[in-house]
Amino acid sequence: EAQVTQNPRYLITVTGKKLTVTCSQNMNHEYMSWYRQDPGLGLRQIYYSMNVEVTDKGDVPEGYKVSRKEKRNFPLILESPSPNQTSLYFCASSDPPSGGGYEQYFGPGTRLTVT
Amino acid sequence: GDSVTQMEGPVTLSEEAFLTINCTYTATGYPSLFWYVQYPGEGLQLLLKATKADDKGSNKGFEATYRKETTSFHLEKGSVQVSDSAVYFCALSDLLSSASKIIFGSGTRLSIRP
Repeated sequence: EAQVTQNPRYLITVTGKKLTVTCSQNMNHEYMSWYRQDPGLGLRQIYYSMNVEVTDKGDVPEGYKVSRKEKRNFPLILESPSPNQTSLYFCASSDPPSGGGYEQYFGPGTRLTVT
Repeated sequence: GDSVTQMEGPVTLSEEAFLTINCTYTATGYPSLFWYVQYPGEGLQLLLKATKADDKGSNKGFEATYRKETTSFHLEKGSVQVSDSAVYFCALSDLLSSASKIIFGSGTRLSIRP
């Protein structure tokens, strides 16, 4: 089954304790992205990757890191989480965009609470 | 920059009612337009899309028409069901301004009463 998986699904942590949210896709997609979803703000892109070892900042990258060492995996790293990073996080993957735009496939989400 | 504006929610309707969720956009180029749906506890999934002006996307009884003259992509369904309760996101991708992402509206929560 084609899918994007994220782990963990739920996480409660304390300020300053480093954490990693994993993302993996089995569709051989080149593009992968991380988004955060906050009430009234929709989804905002944190980081994206167009291929292995190619990553770039999205709209809200502060406080986050990513890496893309393998095509299927795109972990999100919070080196020193703060309460304003409490949010619902989604990983997404897709083929490169074509003339008709492109469809992103989303993971189930990770709900992070930082106290 | 590019943006998407959709109607505020929540929207509450009775089963079998007619649904319209408004969406308008601004874009530099000629974007593709999407509606995504998020069911409770799940990630977003593509509901329908349209890639050029006057295209109509449709799926599961939902429809939306790409209107370039009014920069709109309103979502409609003739008879909603309880199972349609979800959050709906209008979105665009504009390869001229950014090939790397989809821009989402803020989402509209829909609740259907039996």
